[in-house]
Parts: sequence; structure tokens; C-alpha cells
Amino acid sequence: DTEVTQTPKHLVMGMTNKKSLKCEQHMGHRAMYWYKQKAKKPPELMFVYSYEKLSINESVPSRFSPECPNSSLLNLHLHALQPEDSALYLCASSPRRAVESNTEAFFGQGTRLTVV
Amino acid sequence: GESVGLHLPTLSVQEGDNSIINCAYSNSASDYFIWYKQESGKGPQFIIDIRSNMDKRQGQRVTVLLNKTVKHLSLQIAATQPGDSAVYFCAEVLSGTYKYIFGTGTRLKVLA
Repeated sequence: DTEVTQTPKHLVMGMTNKKSLKCEQHMGHRAMYWYKQKAKKPPELMFVYSYEKLSINESVPSRFSPECPNSSLLNLHLHALQPEDSALYLCASSPRRAVESNTEAFFGQGTRLTVV
Repeated sequence: GESVGLHLPTLSVQEGDNSIINCAYSNSASDYFIWYKQESGKGPQFIIDIRSNMDKRQGQRVTVLLNKTVKHLSLQIAATQPGDSAVYFCAEVLSGTYKYIFGTGTRLKVLA
């Protein structure tokens, strides 16, 4: 299994809603990532988890709250989002520290989020 | 030819021709580089990678060149096919971190 699975594929939420994005991988990877991608732009790193611990937060607003319940799962909890948060949210995983293993990050298909 | 729009440069090539997509990376401390292909509505897909101790690496129909002196990467696609139409991103990995940082991206359009 070389897949990163994200659910849901599409999500429409109001500004007062609370929702969660889910990501799962069964490749035994110990680093997992959330990226945000706006149209015609590159993916922007939001969070990195290493061995289930948050290791990088790229100054993301607190209305985005990541969670890594175990080594296979990564969640992104959303609360009080703004319309400008509408984007494609990508999850990725990699085996370990990139500098040690020099391997690519594997990406899921993303969740297309629309905030209304 | 190549055109630079407001956000995403576009390269248009004839089917069967070779394509060259360029990328300037930002950090001289980056030591691992990846090219990804992203089709509409999908996540980035790995194409080829290269380490900083190499200057060229070849795959099937693709070649990556690395010039550390000027912090430049290129992706060459031989005999470009319609299925190659997509947005191509280079990504650099900062030495000692987990960070995969993406470049601006180039849209490749293959003309029949």
C-alpha cells in the first residue's frame, strides 16, 4: 500500500462550523504533513508531525488545529474559518527525516475546502 | 514557447518534442530536490529526485539537472506526450529539517 488517503474529498462549511479533515497512511511513515494549496499556487507547508509529535508549525492561525492520534492517522480540526481559508488541503507522509533518508514525500489527493 | 502569467508560468510544447522546465530554488543549504507533477484536482505525484552530491539523474523519459552554483534545477521530458500536461513543481528539502518547500510551478501544455 503506497497511498495516502484523505477524507472527505470535498467539504463545504460555514464560518461558525467545526469540521475535521482526516488523513491515513499504512506505509509505516513516521513523518506526516499538512499543506495548504490555493489555486495556481504551490503547496504551502502548515504543520509537520514527527513520531506523532508536532515538530513544525509554520505560524498557522489557531483556527487550524492538527492532531496525530497514532502513527497512521493525521487530523486537521477546523473552527471559525474565514472564506479566504478556502483551498485544497493536502496531507503527505515520508519515511523519516528527509535528510537521513532522502526520500520523497507521498501526497494524498487532497480535500477541497470551501468556506461560506 | 513560455509565457509568464500573473501567477503560474506556462510552457507550451508540441507533442513529440522535448520539454525543459526550470526551477530556481532558494536555499543553498538544501541538499535534496524533487520534481512533482500535479494534475488538476489531484495531489502532487513524484517524478524524480536528486541529491546535492549529484548534478544529473535520469529516469524513464525524464532527466533532472542540478546546478548548485546558481541554485537551479531543470526537468527535461523527452518525447512529450498529452498525458504529460500538468503543473510541475520542484521541491527542495532543507538540510536537517522535514521541510519540503515547493517552487512556484510551471504549467506544461502539450499541443497535438
